[in-house]
Amino acid sequence: GEDVEQSLFLSVREGDSSVINCTYTDSSSTYLYWYKQEPGAGLQLLTYIFSNMDMKQDQRLTVLLNKKDKHLSLRIADTQTGDSAIYFCAESIGPRDNTDKLIFGTGTRLQVFP
Amino acid sequence: NAGVTQTPKFQVLKTGQSMTLQCAQDMNHEYMSWYRQDPGMGLRLIHYSVGAGITDQGEVPNGYNVSRSTTEDFPLRLLSAAPSQTSVYFCASKAAGKVGEQYFGPGTRLTVT
Repeated sequence: GEDVEQSLFLSVREGDSSVINCTYTDSSSTYLYWYKQEPGAGLQLLTYIFSNMDMKQDQRLTVLLNKKDKHLSLRIADTQTGDSAIYFCAESIGPRDNTDKLIFGTGTRLQVFP
Repeated sequence: NAGVTQTPKFQVLKTGQSMTLQCAQDMNHEYMSWYRQDPGMGLRLIHYSVGAGITDQGEVPNGYNVSRSTTEDFPLRLLSAAPSQTSVYFCASKAAGKVGEQYFGPGTRLTVT
């Protein structure tokens, strides 16, 4: 079955770059997503990448996809204390247009210290 | 727009009690879904709906029922609560054909004793 794995914790100093990694198993995934969850809140879509792309950059965020190794990463440049949150990787496994069923990873808790 | 709203925010139930978690969206989204979030397990899909009158099971549907009589509302029913259903429940909605734009509600924290 489908499985998405992430490391549970990451701690970085303010101003450094953070890299959050994710591995997935379903090679037919069409889109891969990164969500952010702040304490007591729902999930906020940060960015996504189509499976035929290698990289996507959006301001401080860079997503790298290695489809051969089924490895996805999220790099946050100049990490700030406001970036402290749980980051979820997710893959889309449903039919492309409608259901968009998502399989989520366990989440990586990013802690930024001054 | 209020986006996706969920009520209640918190709920404590005794084993065997029933209740309905409410979810509503005002974005005219066709697709709605329910997830549960447990520590160390990420979010798991319970049920989803691609439009009014259509529902289907997700990864962990047992113990939960849903219905979709209107586009706006997608309630989740627990018929006989069990301690294993202690979790945080998230409702989400998405417009058909829109990649990745799945909007999540703030969550309902449910404790079953």
